[in-house]
Amino acid sequence: EAAVTQSPRNKVAVTGGKVTLSCNQTNNHNNMYWYRQDTGHGLRLIHYSYGAGSTEKGDIPDGYKASRPSQENFSLILELATPSQTSVYFCASGPGQANSDYTFGSGTRLLVI
Amino acid sequence: GDSVTQTEGLVTLTEGLPVMLNCTYQTIYSNPFLFWYVQHLNESPRLLLKSFTDNKRTEHQGFHATLHKSSSSFHLQKSSAQLSDSALYYCALSGSNYNVLYFGSGTKLTVEP
Repeated sequence: EAAVTQSPRNKVAVTGGKVTLSCNQTNNHNNMYWYRQDTGHGLRLIHYSYGAGSTEKGDIPDGYKASRPSQENFSLILELATPSQTSVYFCASGPGQANSDYTFGSGTRLLVI
Repeated sequence: GDSVTQTEGLVTLTEGLPVMLNCTYQTIYSNPFLFWYVQHLNESPRLLLKSFTDNKRTEHQGFHATLHKSSSSFHLQKSSAQLSDSALYYCALSGSNYNVLYFGSGTKLTVEP
């Protein structure tokens, strides 16, 4: 069954530490996305990718890097984590067509202390 | 740039009453796609319905919405709310950059007995 899998499901990080969130998809979709979800802000786009080797900035890229080493994998990297990055992070994949919906992963709950 | 506005952050209804969740959007693209996603507690967002045809009603799982380009609106409606409809609802837009979905801030719907 095609799916989007995120790891870890929960993460506690120390301020100033490095955090890597991983995402794997078996949908064979070209596009992958990282969103963060916060009450009152909804889902905000951090980075996205059109395919292996490609990363694009979304609406709120500051403090985040992304890496797409293969069609299946897309990582979100917080080089110097801050408490303001405490949030729920969702990875999604999509075929890259205007009428296509996304498949979301189960989310990663990140707490930066 | 493209954007989506959901004016109600919280909506509380009694079971059996009609549901209407508001969504308006902004885009310079003349043929946008609009989506409604639903997210139940501790789950990931999933597609509820979508449309790109002006003035055509789209229905799914008892919900319906009509895209009105003249008013840039895509309101979600249901004739009779059920307890199981309690969830977070997101309106989303695929506009000038069809590779990206822009989400609104979400409306949390709570249906009470």
